[in-house]
Amino acid sequence: EDQVTQSPEALRLQEGESSSLNCSYTVSGLRGLFWYRQDPGKGPEFLFTLYSAGEEKEKERLKATLTKKESFLHITAPKPEDSATYLCAVAHSSASKIIFGSGTRLSIRP
Amino acid sequence: DTEVTQTPKHLVMGMTNKKSLKCEQHMGHRAMYWYKQKAKKPPELMFVYSYEKLSINESVPSRFSPECPNSSLLNLHLHALQPEDSALYLCASSQAQGQNNQPQHFGDGTRLSIL
Repeated sequence: EDQVTQSPEALRLQEGESSSLNCSYTVSGLRGLFWYRQDPGKGPEFLFTLYSAGEEKEKERLKATLTKKESFLHITAPKPEDSATYLCAVAHSSASKIIFGSGTRLSIRP
Repeated sequence: DTEVTQTPKHLVMGMTNKKSLKCEQHMGHRAMYWYKQKAKKPPELMFVYSYEKLSINESVPSRFSPECPNSSLLNLHLHALQPEDSALYLCASSQAQGQNNQPQHFGDGTRLSIL
């Protein structure tokens, strides 16, 4: 069964404390993996697309990486404004819709 | 600022009312989507329009009726909703549904409350 699993469910960090969020997937024929950030009461904001194992993308304090089984979103020296829910989603060849993970709620304390 | 605009931002309606949610994008995207999102859950796909034609209906109850008047606009008509339909309704667009490796871009949603 096609599945996307994110861990941890929630993560609380101190400002400046780097960490990683995980998105593992089991799908047939990965066509793309997407990372989104969602603030309370807002729609998901697109961050990155990764297409093949070994690919990396960076934006400010965020870096996304991809292997054949999982993706990591690394957050370096986070700030309180990085607090949000981070969603990953996967597009695969056997379906025309994307599959969302359940998200990681990230909280950064000043 | 998001490039997908949804109106209204908030909507409170009774179970017998009829209302519509509206979505607009000007990115030239040819696929548009409606999602429903409950608190602390990921978005759930409801409908997909590709080149203004309905291509996916995820077995959504008929009290939700989508419409795509043109390539930039997407509506969701609501009638006789139930309290469990209270949620954040999100619209998204992408370059083309057949190219599902392209990211979807979301609006900020309509917060719907059913009394």
